[in-house]
Amino acid sequence: AQSVTQLGSHVSVSEGALVLLRCNYSSSVPPYLFWYVQYPNQGLQLLLKYTTGATLVKGINGFEAEFKKSETSFHLTKPSAHMSDAAEYFCAVSGLSGTYKYIFGTGTRLKVLA
Amino acid sequence: DAGITQSPRYKITETGRQVTLMCHQTWSHSYMFWYRQDLGHGLRLIYYSAAADITDKGEVPDGYVVSRSKTENFPLTLESATRSQTSVYFCASRDEGHTDTQYFGPGTRLTVL
Repeated sequence: AQSVTQLGSHVSVSEGALVLLRCNYSSSVPPYLFWYVQYPNQGLQLLLKYTTGATLVKGINGFEAEFKKSETSFHLTKPSAHMSDAAEYFCAVSGLSGTYKYIFGTGTRLKVLA
Repeated sequence: DAGITQSPRYKITETGRQVTLMCHQTWSHSYMFWYRQDLGHGLRLIYYSAAADITDKGEVPDGYVVSRSKTENFPLTLESATRSQTSVYFCASRDEGHTDTQYFGPGTRLTVL
């Protein structure tokens, strides 16, 4: 069965440090890949997505992610963490088995330390 | 206002009662989805709809019923609520013109006592 794995349910970084949130998927064909952010008591907001073309994708709030087919990964990074980045982040894939349904990872809660 | 809205935002009910969660989108997207969010599980798909009068089961459909008589509305009904259905419920719609992106509502926090 297709799956999405987010390594680390909780990640803590210092303000100004690099943010790296990991996402791996299992699929024999390149899917569409997404990162969403969820702030407390809010819905999910799209950060960035990979569909086709350039494998390095830039999103909102300074985040970017790189699609690596050989590693079946789509890790999310930001060079310098901000206090406002504290939130939960979800990786999702679609296009698997020819469907429009998303498969979500279990989420990573990012804590930014002052 | 354009977008996707959910009501109510918060709901407390008792075991055995019927509860309906509402979802409304203004974009006329064909596809709509219901998810539940639980700690340790991320978001899991309950039901989805490809168009008015077309619905299908997702990963965790038991205990839920959906209908879609109009494109813009996709209500989710818990026919006889159970404590295990205490969760946060999110509705989403899919933008066909933007390569499969789903846009989410603000969520409904449901507590079943």
